[in-house]
Amino acid sequence: DAGVTQSPTHLIKTRGQQVTLRCSPKSGHDTVSWYQQALGQGPQFIFQYYEEEERQRGNFPDRFSGHQFPNYSSELNVNALLLGDSALYLCASSVGQGNSPLHFGNGTRLTVT
Amino acid sequence: EDKVVQSPLSLVVHEGDTVTLNCSYEVTNFRSLLWYKQEKKAPTFLFMLTSSGIEKKSGRLSSILDKKELFSILNITATQTGDSAVYLCAASARAGNMLTFGGGTRLMVKP
Repeated sequence: DAGVTQSPTHLIKTRGQQVTLRCSPKSGHDTVSWYQQALGQGPQFIFQYYEEEERQRGNFPDRFSGHQFPNYSSELNVNALLLGDSALYLCASSVGQGNSPLHFGNGTRLTVT
Repeated sequence: EDKVVQSPLSLVVHEGDTVTLNCSYEVTNFRSLLWYKQEKKAPTFLFMLTSSGIEKKSGRLSSILDKKELFSILNITATQTGDSAVYLCAASARAGNMLTFGGGTRLMVKP
């Protein structure tokens, strides 16, 4: 039973560039959430997708956008990268919009130089 | 603004010791409190607590929620070096299942 898979594992980009991160949810899960985890801090919620629509959004600028596909996989796009966007980006999947626990992937480590 | 605070920030113990990790929260329309263990990358789910006063146990780990005082504790008995990790506490609200995380407690267990 495949868990949450994310790609790539590591990425180095330059300020001003754009990046796309990818996530496949755990089998049987249909909801995908994205979190940003800066070094030494807890994860911060970016947004959540369910039924191919953004359902909730955290306090992140419009430079952060996403998409969910019919097979429930998801992408996170970040435009006009800033040094402060350097972080571990975690994808989590769950079932529906209820109270099911989130299952996390191993994340994508993004470094912006 | 929703807030979750964990203490202590870090802890160093020896194998066999018992530890207690603390988590306090202020969340509008609180629904549940979750604990995760993060060793390298992916946080792994430990417990979800929704009712006050009911202890959840899994092996040497246990956790309880106090909804009146707005806090939770995670206990680890007979610690082992494999328990070394960052322990994250998170709270969810009734709308959706977005989590607000605390900053984590870094636990180091020495042999």
